[in-house]
Amino acid sequence: NAGVTQTPKFRVLKTGQSMTLLCAQDMNHEYMYWYRQDPGMGLRLIHYSVGEGTTAKGEVPDGYNVSRLKKQNFLLGLESAAPSQTSVYFCASRLPDRVSYEQYFGPGTRLTVT
Amino acid sequence: RKEVEQDPGPFNVPEGATVAFNCTYSNSASQSFFWYRQDCRKEPKLLMSVYSSGNEDGRFTAQLNRASQYISLLIRDSKLSDSATYLCVVNWSGSNTGKLIFGQGTTLQVKP
Repeated sequence: NAGVTQTPKFRVLKTGQSMTLLCAQDMNHEYMYWYRQDPGMGLRLIHYSVGEGTTAKGEVPDGYNVSRLKKQNFLLGLESAAPSQTSVYFCASRLPDRVSYEQYFGPGTRLTVT
Repeated sequence: RKEVEQDPGPFNVPEGATVAFNCTYSNSASQSFFWYRQDCRKEPKLLMSVYSSGNEDGRFTAQLNRASQYISLLIRDSKLSDSATYLCVVNWSGSNTGKLIFGQGTTLQVKP
């Protein structure tokens, strides 16, 4: 199993450009998440999904959109990138198990917006 | 007040030392608590869950004090390989959607 993979690993965008980050998991997990991590701050939840075709907002959703058309994929879109979106983006997934909340993370995407 | 607060450190300790990290959380409805480990420029990985009765995994001991809304992680006999950032993590309002709130992390540097 590859676990959770993210594409691309690195990207530099100019202000106003758009892009889509792809997250894929092969563990048949129902729940998927997108986080951003900035220096000196913990991970902050952008959007999440509890199943195919469903999405919901997290703590910092502004400027981002998501889609979960297939169970194994969760896409994060930036329609018009801003320098404030320079960050490391992590995707995570887990089973819908009340007892075990372990989230499995992808390796991250390092995004710079100039 | 931040929802989950940690002392960012860094904690610089010699090999073999015992070190303790503390974390406080603000939402009394939180039900699940974790410590994640994050190596430099890598993704976070679960170190251990924290149970009400306290739990131990080898050199690592986690404690939970619900009354004080306080979580701790104790590392005994520190190894060079323990150098990392340790993230205190709390689930949001007991929700089963798995929404987690992360502390900013405590950096540990173990020196020979």
